[in-house]
Amino acid sequence: AQSVTQPDIHITVSEGASLELRCNYSYGATPYLFWYVQSPGQGLQLLLKYFSGDTLVQGIKGFEAEFKRSQSSFNLRKPSVHWSDAAEYFCAVGSSGGYQKVTFGTGTKLQVIP
Amino acid sequence: GAVVSQHPSWVICKSGTSVKIECRSLDFQATTMFWYRQFPKQSLMLMATSNEGSKATYEQGVEKDKFLINHASLTLSTLTVTSAHPEDSSFYICSARVGTLQETQYFGPGTRLLVL
Repeated sequence: AQSVTQPDIHITVSEGASLELRCNYSYGATPYLFWYVQSPGQGLQLLLKYFSGDTLVQGIKGFEAEFKRSQSSFNLRKPSVHWSDAAEYFCAVGSSGGYQKVTFGTGTKLQVIP
Repeated sequence: GAVVSQHPSWVICKSGTSVKIECRSLDFQATTMFWYRQFPKQSLMLMATSNEGSKATYEQGVEKDKFLINHASLTLSTLTVTSAHPEDSSFYICSARVGTLQETQYFGPGTRLLVL
């Protein structure tokens, strides 16, 4: 069965500092990987995805993520965090065929301090 | 971009009553809609998948008689929590997908249900 682990429940960074949110997945084949952001009162918004090809993927709002098969990881990064990035971030893994079920991690809440 | 709405955003009800939550795709037709449940500090748990005009497919452990899903049109799906109990209190989120590509899954803002 597929699963996702986000080891950091809560992260605090200063505005302008760099950010890395960790994500580890478990899946038997090549996974479909996603990062979503959830702001209060808003639906989940897709930041970026990895299906195949270049292992470094660029997303919206200046985010990027790198797929590392050897480490079963798909960490999210941003070189300079803005106050508006404060939100909850979810990593997710999807099956690569058939039912295409998506499994979410428990989320990482990002706090940005001035 | 594609917008998915949910109504109501908040609902408080007495134990034993039924509650209906609507999920609408506002500017696109959704071939498939999903219902998730999110507990505090936990991930989204997929409850069921529904395709327009057919019966929903429920995940293991989800009571289909308790969580009734109707996908009457390509823009509307409803989740009815029947005979709600306090343990049903949760955050319910729907998403709508166009076609089969996973990146085209758009999420609603969620509905907070509190059963007293």
